[in-house]
Amino acid sequence: ELKVEQNPLFLSMQEGKNYTIYCNYSTTSDRLYWYRQDPGKSLESLFVLLSNGAVKQEGRLMASLDTKARLSTLHITAAVHDLSATYFCAVDTGTYKYIFGTGTRLKVLA
Amino acid sequence: ETGVTQTPRHLVMGMTNKKSLKCEQHLGHNAMYWYKQSAKKPLELMFVYSLEERVENNSVPSRFSPECPNSSHLFLHLHTLQPEDSALYLCASSQSVGGSYEQYFGPGTRLTVT
Repeated sequence: ELKVEQNPLFLSMQEGKNYTIYCNYSTTSDRLYWYRQDPGKSLESLFVLLSNGAVKQEGRLMASLDTKARLSTLHITAAVHDLSATYFCAVDTGTYKYIFGTGTRLKVLA
Repeated sequence: ETGVTQTPRHLVMGMTNKKSLKCEQHLGHNAMYWYKQSAKKPLELMFVYSLEERVENNSVPSRFSPECPNSSHLFLHLHTLQPEDSALYLCASSQSVGGSYEQYFGPGTRLTVT
């Protein structure tokens, strides 16, 4: 059974600090997606990573994919309060199934 | 806005009621999905439709019945639900199944079963 694990599950950080969220998965895949979810809202697509070594950046967020290590990271640079949300990674199994991680709830403190 | 709408946004129903959730996508996509999001659990894929044909029924109890009359609309018919079915139900669409197509999510329906 494919497992997708994120860590940490909860992250409280000060504004201006850097941190990395990790997404590990248990089967071969070269497609991974990152989503953001605000409380009471739906999922918003952040990044689409489609090959080994893929790196995408948007503002203070940067995502990367290492398919050999079965690992994706979401790096936060100089966090701001507006980044507070829950972040999910989702692994594409190669058919039509996404398997979502457990989510990382990020709280950025002013 | 993602181009995927869901109604109602909130629903409270008793265990003996019958209700339906509606999803509509305005993106010209060919695939649509139902997910369940419960507190403290990862999103669970429930159903997948490709060009109005169901391609996945992920061991979902029969009290949930999906319907896809065309590629733009998706319904989830609910009957005889249990309190543990209370959750956020999310609809998503993608250009196609398979391939490298990201999914676009609707705002969700918050369902409470009393």
